Amino acid sequence: SQTIHQWPATLVQPVGSPLSLECTVEGTSNPNLYWYRQAAGRGLQLLFYSVGIGQISSEVPQNLSASRPQDRQFILSSKKLLLSDSGFYLCAGGVGTSGRGNEQFFGPGTRLTVL
Amino acid sequence: GDSVTQMEGPVTLSEEAFLTINCTYTATGYPSLFWYVQYPGEGLQLLLKATKADDKGSNKGFEATYRKETTSFHLEKGSVQVSDSAVYFCALRNNQFYFGTGTSLTVIP
Repeated sequence: SQTIHQWPATLVQPVGSPLSLECTVEGTSNPNLYWYRQAAGRGLQLLFYSVGIGQISSEVPQNLSASRPQDRQFILSSKKLLLSDSGFYLCAGGVGTSGRGNEQFFGPGTRLTVL
Repeated sequence: GDSVTQMEGPVTLSEEAFLTINCTYTATGYPSLFWYVQYPGEGLQLLLKATKADDKGSNKGFEATYRKETTSFHLEKGSVQVSDSAVYFCALRNNQFYFGTGTSLTVIP
């Protein structure tokens, strides 16, 4: 079965500092990968998705970026964090469009607090 | 475009009460439909799914039926427990995934 690992689990960073959140996938190859942000008490906001190595699509322009250096690795970064970047970041994976019924599977999330 | 609308929360129920969380969708073609559950401080877990009209997804006492005529996928449980307290997300998949905004459920003893 597919498993998503994320780290760190929690992170407290000052405004203006850089960010790197890592997500790795086990149990499947060539997955579609996604970064979501969930603000407190809110729904999911899709930030980035990737259909393959080096292929990144951005859904929301902001000071965050994503990279996919390996098939099963997806990284979320920022050069300078803002207070509004605080939230719960979720990495998710999914099999390609050939499997209509295939669900997304989620990692445990990273709680980021920017002070 | 495709979208999912689910009932506003929060919902508070007593233990053993009946639960319904409404979910309706807008989509072209024949999407797959999902319910996810998120316990405090955790990621989302798939609760159940249905891939075609009239399919019923079920898991852990929860059920939802894919109703194409009403474009709905309402989540139901006959008798909720305190351990069901969580946030529930309805979602659909066409070429992309679309999530509802989530409904918070609190079950009190």
